[in-house]
Amino acid sequence: EVQLVESGGGLVQPGGSLRLSCAASGFPLSSYEMNWVRQAPGKGLEWVSYISSSGSTRYYADSVRGRFTISRDNAENSLYLQMHSLTAEDTAVYYCARSLPARNAFDVWGQGTMVTVSS
Amino acid sequence: DIQMTQSPSSLSASVGDRVTITCRASQTINVYLNWYHQKPGKVPNLLIYTASSLQSGVPSRFSGSGSGTDFTLTISSLQPEDFGTYYCQQSDKMPLTFGGGTRVEI
Repeated sequence: EVQLVESGGGLVQPGGSLRLSCAASGFPLSSYEMNWVRQAPGKGLEWVSYISSSGSTRYYADSVRGRFTISRDNAENSLYLQMHSLTAEDTAVYYCARSLPARNAFDVWGQGTMVTVSS
Repeated sequence: DIQMTQSPSSLSASVGDRVTITCRASQTINVYLNWYHQKPGKVPNLLIYTASSLQSGVPSRFSGSGSGTDFTLTISSLQPEDFGTYYCQQSDKMPLTFGGGTRVEI
């Protein structure tokens, strides 16, 4: 079964850091571009970051550029999101999502991990 | 950045109705427009990619059309399980962007 499972969310103080992980199974992660998408409570979807299949190309939303870093370990079938300088505006459910090849349409999503930034 | 505007923001319809949701891009995105459905508390589900391609496993009552800046998602006969929020997303240029969503109530 094709599956993505996120972990690493939790409560963090403003200015703090957190590292999210996404474990892929049922398909070769190395063959797919991957993304992080977030959804603040009661709000819509916001794309956060993209990484190419090899990891050589990365893109970020303006709202997180310079604070978040996306990475991947294809040998471990894992995707990561390192987050620094967190603010209340980063509070959201964070989903990892697989891209359809050459389409950047998200065909497989994880169940999400909640990040709450609060003192 | 490319702004995506959906309309209406919400609608109420009956089972069996034909429902149309529109999405407009702030600049041309060719056919790189995708549609998702999200039920409350659930993960988004890809319905349509590149404007009109039906994702595997998605019922044929869903269809998409459009190119350039104007796109449409149509549900030919609304079913009870179709309630929730629909989002468009452009995948032509980075940063990828979503529309604000259309809430569909049955």
